[in-house]
Amino acid sequence: AQSVTQLGSHVSVSEGALVLLRCNYSSSVPPYLFWYVQYPNQGLQLLLKYTTGATLVKGINGFEAEFKKSETSFHLTKPSAHMSDAAEYFCAPRGFGNEKLTFGTGTRLTIIP
Amino acid sequence: DTGVSQNPRHKITKRGQNVTFRCDPISEHNRLYWYRQTLGQGPEFLTYFQNEAQLEKSRLLSDRFSAERPKGSFSTLEIQRTEQGDSAMYLCASSFGDSYNSPLHFGNGTRLTVT
Repeated sequence: AQSVTQLGSHVSVSEGALVLLRCNYSSSVPPYLFWYVQYPNQGLQLLLKYTTGATLVKGINGFEAEFKKSETSFHLTKPSAHMSDAAEYFCAPRGFGNEKLTFGTGTRLTIIP
Repeated sequence: DTGVSQNPRHKITKRGQNVTFRCDPISEHNRLYWYRQTLGQGPEFLTYFQNEAQLEKSRLLSDRFSAERPKGSFSTLEIQRTEQGDSAMYLCASSFGDSYNSPLHFGNGTRLTVT
């Protein structure tokens, strides 16, 4: 069964600073990996996904994530934070043969002006 | 692509009442999922359909919960004899195809408050 750990339930960064949101998954089989963003009172929006191929994945709004099999990690980064990035971010692995996404507990990102 | 539509957006009900939510997936999406999200938590899987067939149900889905997807199009989630613990955001998502790398597209959810 897939499980996922998102270190840091709350992360605050200054506008223009690097954003780093951590995600570690547990699996003996490399899963498919997704990052979603949720704005207040809205559903989840796909940021990016890793399936196969290049381990550095680029997504929307300037975000990217790198799949590191040896570390079982899929951390989300953005070089320069913008006020509009303030939201909740969820990492979700999906193992082969598993129909559903398993979401982490999320990281709330706050941007300091 | 008009997105996944959920109705109503908000529902306030008294304990013991029945409620029903509707989800209209993106057209031609054959898979439809229901998730529940409580404050400060990630979405928790409830159930999913492939076309009209309900293929998996979570242990979170008690006997008071029932979901249907007649004709493989829209879906309804009914909660009977609501309890205060049912208060949550109920999210619907859909996806296309059979590939495990197909992303889920989420609606904006229905927020249920049980008083």
